[in-house]
Amino acid sequence: DIVMTQSPDSLAVSLGERATINCRSSQSVLYSSTNKNYLAWYQQKPGQPPKLLIYWASTRDSGVPDRFSGSGSGTDFTLTISSLQTEDVAVYYCQQYYATPFTFGPGTKVDVK
Amino acid sequence: QVQLVQSGAEVKKPGASVKVSCKASGYTFIDYDINWVRQATGQGLEWMGWVSPNSGATDYAQKFQGRVTMTRDTPLRTAYMELSGLRSEDTAVYYCAIQTGYNSAYFVKWGQGTLVTVSS
Repeated sequence: DIVMTQSPDSLAVSLGERATINCRSSQSVLYSSTNKNYLAWYQQKPGQPPKLLIYWASTRDSGVPDRFSGSGSGTDFTLTISSLQTEDVAVYYCQQYYATPFTFGPGTKVDVK
Repeated sequence: QVQLVQSGAEVKKPGASVKVSCKASGYTFIDYDINWVRQATGQGLEWMGWVSPNSGATDYAQKFQGRVTMTRDTPLRTAYMELSGLRSEDTAVYYCAIQTGYNSAYFVKWGQGTLVTVSS
């Protein structure tokens, strides 16, 4: 199975400041024949299901604010919130869909400092 | 708009089975595979498997092989996840979620979740 790790476990950022979350996979999730990274990011608020933010490592889902961006390739990925808003307080998960079983990172909790 | 509406909370005894439903609307049901993901309280997300509403094909995570069955009823636009041999560690919120492409299993829409509590 591909193991996903995230860092940090939690972070607190001032409103308007940048938040950066890292995700690492135990093997590459870059599929050579498509040249795509099979990596997604989700946001989950308390009592709600996860919401898709980013897929193919860097493509924002429809309606996702452009302060959210994804980057990285192979085994190392980053989710950046360029200017933290109060509504961004949540837990963020990365997920690989390169191979089954699809696996998620343990999550990173983002709070306002 | 795309909606996935799941059945209500369940309380089961150890050893019993539970069947959770996921009713889809707002899109062509057979177009998108339905995945099941669970989340224990305060814990992370765990993928259980998927079912193809078109063919009925399934793929289960090894961890759940032999205990989980995923099916669909196409006329009812509903997918089901049945988990047997329940134990306390199966207490969790169970979500259905759709992926919109073959070989692109990122989950674009999720159900609201169904809490399954296993307790004697």
